[in-house]
Amino acid sequence: DAKTTQPNSMESNEEEPVHLPCNHSTISGTDYIHWYRQLPSQGPEYVIHGLTSNVNNRMASLAIAEDRKSSTLILHRATLRDAAVYYCILSSPGATNKLIFGTGTLLAVQP
Amino acid sequence: DTGVSQNPRHKITKRGQNVTFRCDPISEHNRLYWYRQTLGQGPEFLTYFQNEAQLEKSRLLSDRFSAERPKGSFSTLEIQRTEQGDSAMYLCASSFGAGGLYGYTFGSGTRLTVV
Repeated sequence: DAKTTQPNSMESNEEEPVHLPCNHSTISGTDYIHWYRQLPSQGPEYVIHGLTSNVNNRMASLAIAEDRKSSTLILHRATLRDAAVYYCILSSPGATNKLIFGTGTLLAVQP
Repeated sequence: DTGVSQNPRHKITKRGQNVTFRCDPISEHNRLYWYRQTLGQGPEFLTYFQNEAQLEKSRLLSDRFSAERPKGSFSTLEIQRTEQGDSAMYLCASSFGAGGLYGYTFGSGTRLTVV
């Protein structure tokens, strides 16, 4: 399974944009890039996913590099409720489609 | 639909006892996954069901662990002869079709403490 590399932690101020980076240099052509986040004592929550093109939804935007070896999750205006561990995951289409989690980025949001 | 439901939320058991957890996925989701998460780590894949068929099991799933999904609806995860190393959060996730395409919905987990 292809692996991802994320910073262990990041800090942001409330109401400012946050850019969470992820490197995935061994990504294959059919791997989807997923982002999930996990609040304390909760299960992971789906944020966004994409294949090649940039994606936007109500929660965030996903910017994917042209060579697909990296991506960035963008939270446009961080709130205190966005403080969580953010996981960048590659998912290969196939029989199982299981997610292989790393240790993620712990995002702290300061008021 | 209230999402993926897991029961109980917390379980404390003595070493050597058997425990069983239940997961109720979103009703139209045909795929169901179990994960285990220890403190400070990301969730680790345990097993996967498509409808009632268990199609993949991780090496982490020792012979003390068994999972079922009768009739392709709810699923149970049983741990026999629990050990202290089994203490973890057990998470269930479900998806419709290929989760890689549509995303996965996770439950809030069952936190197991073996004393």
